[in-house]
Amino acid sequence: EVQLLESGGGLVQPGGSLRLSCAASGFTFSSYAMGWVRQAPGKGLEWVSGISSSGGSTYYADSVKGRFTISKDNTLYLQMNGLRAEDTAIYYCAKGRGSSSYYFDCWGQGTLVTVSS
Amino acid sequence: DIVMTQSPDSLAVSLGERATINCKSSQSVYYSANSKNYLAWYQQKPRQPPKLLIYWASTRESGVPERFSGSGSGTDFTLTITSLQAEDVAVYYCQQYYDTPFSFGQGTRLEIK
Repeated sequence: EVQLLESGGGLVQPGGSLRLSCAASGFTFSSYAMGWVRQAPGKGLEWVSGISSSGGSTYYADSVKGRFTISKDNTLYLQMNGLRAEDTAIYYCAKGRGSSSYYFDCWGQGTLVTVSS
Repeated sequence: DIVMTQSPDSLAVSLGERATINCKSSQSVYYSANSKNYLAWYQQKPRQPPKLLIYWASTRESGVPERFSGSGSGTDFTLTITSLQAEDVAVYYCQQYYDTPFSFGQGTRLEIK
C-alpha cells in the first residue's frame, strides 16, 4: 500500500524557516515525480512545488520561488525560508503518476504550518 | 501562467440527479504530439486530502465509480456525476499539468439539494 507521511510543520515567526519532510513507502520512490500542494485554512488547493523522479528538475509556484527549495533523497523535503503569514496552510505531499507526470494519485494527510508572531 | 477557472463555485443537486462542473483553462492544455489533454479532477471531502478521480481529462482512476466521468478538450472541460449519491458531497478541483506552475481551479462545492 502506498503511504506518504508528512512531518515538520508547526508554528514559526514571520521571516523564519521550516523544513518539511515526507516519508514514502509502498512504491519505488526513485521512479516517480513528487510534489507539494498547500491549502490555506478554508481555502482551495495551491500547487507549490514539484520534482522529477531523478531530482534533476524542480519547479515552483511564483509565490514561493526563491524562498522554498524542494529536494529528495529517500525522503521528499521542502525547505521553507523567509516565511510569511500567507504561507500558513496545510502542506500535502503528493505522488505523481510517472517519472515526470505532475497529476497526483496519492496524497499524505498533510502537515500544518502556521506563520505568526 | 495557466489560470484555471471553475464554474459554478457551488452547486446543489438532488440525490439521483446529474451534477455538472465546468473547468476552463486560460490556454490550451492539449498536447498534439500525444493527443492528450493534461487535465485532472480531484475530490476533497472535509478533513481529508484530495483524491484523484480523472486524469488525461477523461480517464477514470481505478476504483472510482462509473458515475464520475470527464470530458472536454483544449480549454474547456467538464466533470459529470450521474445519479448523485450522498457520499459525493465534497469540493471538486480541476488541475492542469501541461505546464508549470501546475495550477488548480478554485474549487466547486457540491451539496445535496
